[in-house]
Amino acid sequence: QKEVEQNSGPLSVPEGAIASLNCTYSDRGSQSFFWYRQYSGKSPELIMFIYSNGDKEDGRFTAQLNKASQYVSLLIRDSQPSDSATYLCAVPPLSGNTPLVFGKGTRLSVIA
Amino acid sequence: EAEVAQSPRYKITEKSQAVAFWCDPISGHATLYWYRQILGQGPELLVQFQDESVVDDSQLPKDRFSAERLKGVDSTLKIQPAELGDSAMYLCASSPGTDYGYTFGSGTRLTVV
Repeated sequence: QKEVEQNSGPLSVPEGAIASLNCTYSDRGSQSFFWYRQYSGKSPELIMFIYSNGDKEDGRFTAQLNKASQYVSLLIRDSQPSDSATYLCAVPPLSGNTPLVFGKGTRLSVIA
Repeated sequence: EAEVAQSPRYKITEKSQAVAFWCDPISGHATLYWYRQILGQGPELLVQFQDESVVDDSQLPKDRFSAERLKGVDSTLKIQPAELGDSAMYLCASSPGTDYGYTFGSGTRLTVV
């Protein structure tokens, strides 16, 4: 059973702080990793992807990958109330044409 | 910006009735997915198409669910008969290929009463 684990939260941070969201995965063969943001009642929206160990930055978002520890994280700098949403980690279990397995998501609340 | 079209946005149906959802992926995306998301959970795959062929339907409850993508473009997901436990968000997504993230449609919120 391929698994993607996330802390369901809620994670509450004050406006302007750094929010850190974590995800672990079970399949060592996984090669790519995705973060989606989902506002309440809406569909998921892709915000970041990462393939290589290390950090990838895009604006206020940084994805961090450690394949040896099977761990991927998402940092949100200067958190804004508009960042309040559920963040889903998604991993394809094997390379090739395999569908993404999603975690249950972490609910983030940014307090103004 | 290209979008995945889904309809209807909301559907209320009585248990034991039939219900159908439609999805039109982004033009040129060969891979199409149907996911189900129960409130508070992550999306779970129901079926994956590559063009008109089913690649993975191992999690599709085939006694009541069916999916088709006859011409390799748009797709229909059907439930017959609907059960109370089918109440969920049904998400369609498409992708240009492997190792790419998906683009999701707006989803269909199904309520079975």
